[in-house]
Amino acid sequence: AQSVTQLGSHVSVSEGALVLLRCNYSSSVPPYLFWYVQYPNQGLQLLLKYTSAATLVKGINGFEAEFKKSETSFHLTKPSAHMSDAAEYFCAVSPIQGAQKLVFGQGTRLTINP
Amino acid sequence: KAGVTQTPRYLIKTRGQQVTLSCSPISGHRSVSWYQQTPGQGLQFLFEYFSETQRNKGNFPGRFSGRQFSNSRSEMNVSTLELGDSALYLCASSLADRTYTGELFFGEGSRLTVL
Repeated sequence: AQSVTQLGSHVSVSEGALVLLRCNYSSSVPPYLFWYVQYPNQGLQLLLKYTSAATLVKGINGFEAEFKKSETSFHLTKPSAHMSDAAEYFCAVSPIQGAQKLVFGQGTRLTINP
Repeated sequence: KAGVTQTPRYLIKTRGQQVTLSCSPISGHRSVSWYQQTPGQGLQFLFEYFSETQRNKGNFPGRFSGRQFSNSRSEMNVSTLELGDSALYLCASSLADRTYTGELFFGEGSRLTVL
């Protein structure tokens, strides 16, 4: 079965510092990978997705992620954190094209310190 | 374009009751899926409907059911509520034909508290 592991349930960085949120997946076939963000009392919003095109994927709000098959990783980064980035971030995998059944990681809560 | 609309946003029920949650997808989206979000289990897939047919189902008991109408609006029902059913229930819609793997558009959720 597909699974996603997010390392670190809480990450805290200073404003202007690098953001690195880790995600590892298990998949026996090339997966489709996603990062979603959830702000308090809101639903999830797609940040970026990997669907077997370029391994470096750029998303909204300055985020990007790199697909590394050898490491089964899809870590999310942003060079300079902003206070508005404080939220919960979810990595998700969909093993089957066309399947809307996503398997989510447990989430990482990102806190930005002034 | 209006987003995914879920009603009600908040509700409180007691054990043994049943509840129906509603989801109106983005206009033109034919797929609607439901997720349960709890602090302990995280986000878990419940089921997905496409053109009024259940296409995928998660690992939940039969107390959890859903349906989709011809206008793509969807409802999910939970019968004989248990304390553990307290959660945020998220609906997501997408274009989702069989060749599409892309963005799910989520609603803000219905927060269910079972007392």
